Amino acid sequence: DAGVIQSPRHEVTEMGQEVTLRCKPISGHNSLFWYRQTMMRGLELLIYFNNNVPIDDSGMPEDRFSAKMPNASFSTLKIQPSEPRDSAVYFCASRQNTEAFFGQGTRLTVV
Amino acid sequence: GEDVEQSLFLSVREGDSSVINCTYTDSSSTYLYWYKQEPGAGLQLLTYIFSNMDMKQDQRLTVLLNKKDKHLSLRIADTQTGDSAIYFCAESKDNAGNMLTFGGGTRLMVKP
Repeated sequence: DAGVIQSPRHEVTEMGQEVTLRCKPISGHNSLFWYRQTMMRGLELLIYFNNNVPIDDSGMPEDRFSAKMPNASFSTLKIQPSEPRDSAVYFCASRQNTEAFFGQGTRLTVV
Repeated sequence: GEDVEQSLFLSVREGDSSVINCTYTDSSSTYLYWYKQEPGAGLQLLTYIFSNMDMKQDQRLTVLLNKKDKHLSLRIADTQTGDSAIYFCAESKDNAGNMLTFGGGTRLMVKP
């Protein structure tokens, strides 16, 4: 398996634009997590899904953030409209039983 | 609430042992993890331990768990420059897909 695949690896966008981050979890994993990593706050859990169903989205910072998991092999995290303070590295992780595996992350810069 | 804490920084000389410490507050934590993050990369799972274990050894890595004190440590024997990275501890309650709660990470610097 290729592991958790995220795209794009880097995204630079202007304030106010819509940004969509994509994640393909490891096949067979039934849990998927979106994290945000910044220098100031470290790793923050934004939302996680079990069997494609959102379980806890209390970490989503604002209504500007939304996440979907239309099927077991794909998830998106959307920010609309984006703001400079959204600049961070966004990680997707998938998990089956004990071990969670992370993607390489998407580095988002909002200017 | 859940909280996982780590010291921010550790510096060691190549060949020495490194010990990275972590404390957590949730006594119902069942699985405790150590992840490594190299610059510009994702998080790589190094090892994990069940809460009913005291110790787990995997080559140069030794994990010690003191459940009474809610203290977890990662010992890296014969530390190499390639071990320089940020190390995160994390906990979760079960293996049913519940969320991982991470510490803030410890930056390990290995000097030649």
